[in-house]
Amino acid sequence: GAVVSQHPSWVICKSGTSVKIECRSLDFQATTMFWYRQFPKQSLMLMATSNEGSKATYEQGVEKDKFLINHASLTLSTLTVTSAHPEDSSFYICSAREAQKPLDTQYFGPGTRLTVL
Amino acid sequence: GESVGLHLPTLSVQEGDNSIINCAYSNSASDYFIWYKQESGKGPQFIIDIRSNMDKRQGQRVTVLLNKTVKHLSLQIAATQPGDSAVYFCAETSGSRLTFGEGTQLTVNP
Repeated sequence: GAVVSQHPSWVICKSGTSVKIECRSLDFQATTMFWYRQFPKQSLMLMATSNEGSKATYEQGVEKDKFLINHASLTLSTLTVTSAHPEDSSFYICSAREAQKPLDTQYFGPGTRLTVL
Repeated sequence: GESVGLHLPTLSVQEGDNSIINCAYSNSASDYFIWYKQESGKGPQFIIDIRSNMDKRQGQRVTVLLNKTVKHLSLQIAATQPGDSAVYFCAETSGSRLTFGEGTQLTVNP
């Protein structure tokens, strides 16, 4: 149980285009989903926290107009990187917290590798 | 600001040896700590956790030690195997927000 999937697993796009990444909780309902970004040889950095049915809360320094997050259902959150540029190339990882479970329980997805040319 | 960091960026051990990975944290309000294993190109995988009211917890081949006095966390892996080669992160949380440390690359030599 507690499986989180991401789609696509990798994507290559041209500079200036937008890319959407999906995060799904496959066998549980996720009231909260988290989006992280990880650059090579670095740690995971939290970008935003997304609660179902409400606006996402972005970490300091993360542009909300560039990284659009939608959490319209209890099993799906999407991250859209708008007008992507090479510096947005990174490994994007989501995690999900199961409803009615302890606040500190997060299940991680496998990540999405974004390469912007 | 508050941070969670690791002492060593790389650790190389021989197969069969025990490995110890260390982590320092600075948020004295942290009440829950987690160790994750991340293989190349994959998401973090939960290894073991410990709450602040404990100082030791054991799992299968892994042990986590917590020293709140000096804000230090360690992960011990017994009889390290090649499949243990990965980056290991400690993470701290108070509430729902996870803060990750810098990571240690563990390499197990056959």
